[in-house]
Amino acid sequence: DGGITQSPKYLFRKEGQNVTLSCEQNLNHDAMYWYRQDPGQGLRLIYYSQIVNDFQKGDIAEGYSVSREKKESFPLTVTSAQKNPTAFYLCASSYSLNQETQYFGPGTRLLVL
Amino acid sequence: GQQVMQIPQYQHVQEGEDFTTYCNSSTTLSNIQWYKQRPGGHPVFLIQLVKSGEVKKQKRLTFQFGEAKKNSSLHITATQTTDVGTYFCAGIRGSTLGRLYFGRGTQLTVWP
Repeated sequence: DGGITQSPKYLFRKEGQNVTLSCEQNLNHDAMYWYRQDPGQGLRLIYYSQIVNDFQKGDIAEGYSVSREKKESFPLTVTSAQKNPTAFYLCASSYSLNQETQYFGPGTRLLVL
Repeated sequence: GQQVMQIPQYQHVQEGEDFTTYCNSSTTLSNIQWYKQRPGGHPVFLIQLVKSGEVKKQKRLTFQFGEAKKNSSLHITATQTTDVGTYFCAGIRGSTLGRLYFGRGTQLTVWP
């Protein structure tokens, strides 16, 4: 809950443009995650990172890219290759990757016109 | 495919009625977590169950983990309008450390 920030809250982009979503946490968590939420689909994992300079693809990584250069930051880039990018994007973090509670940020709603 | 199944997808109840959502996995889960997402908000952790047959209560909420660690349930007694939201289960499969697999959630509507 607290300690994870995502910006902006709403984001509008034209089709074909790349866009980067910010996620910052001050909880000293090692693991961070990006999820996409669509109505009726629940939470689908895009990418996750266990530690700085390491990240793994989730279930729907195509059309997305991430970086983990700092422990506190895990930005997500939605590229033009993502065919249906309009969605609610949630960032989360946890102390470690193994069996830990995840704390979610407030989310970013991306609308691609 | 969906690793963790959750039913029902929607539930509408009158205030004061009980509510239950069920979560099932085809494989054994090392643990199961439950989250609540209020309309327009983000998921918030409720509880984690680890032991086979474990039952935990939080006021009007009762959480159960099956004996085989393949299913779980959340039961709310005497729902209130503040219970409105989507409830997600999320499990870590025994063979895959660290990956939480979320169910699709049950969206609860409570009529006053």
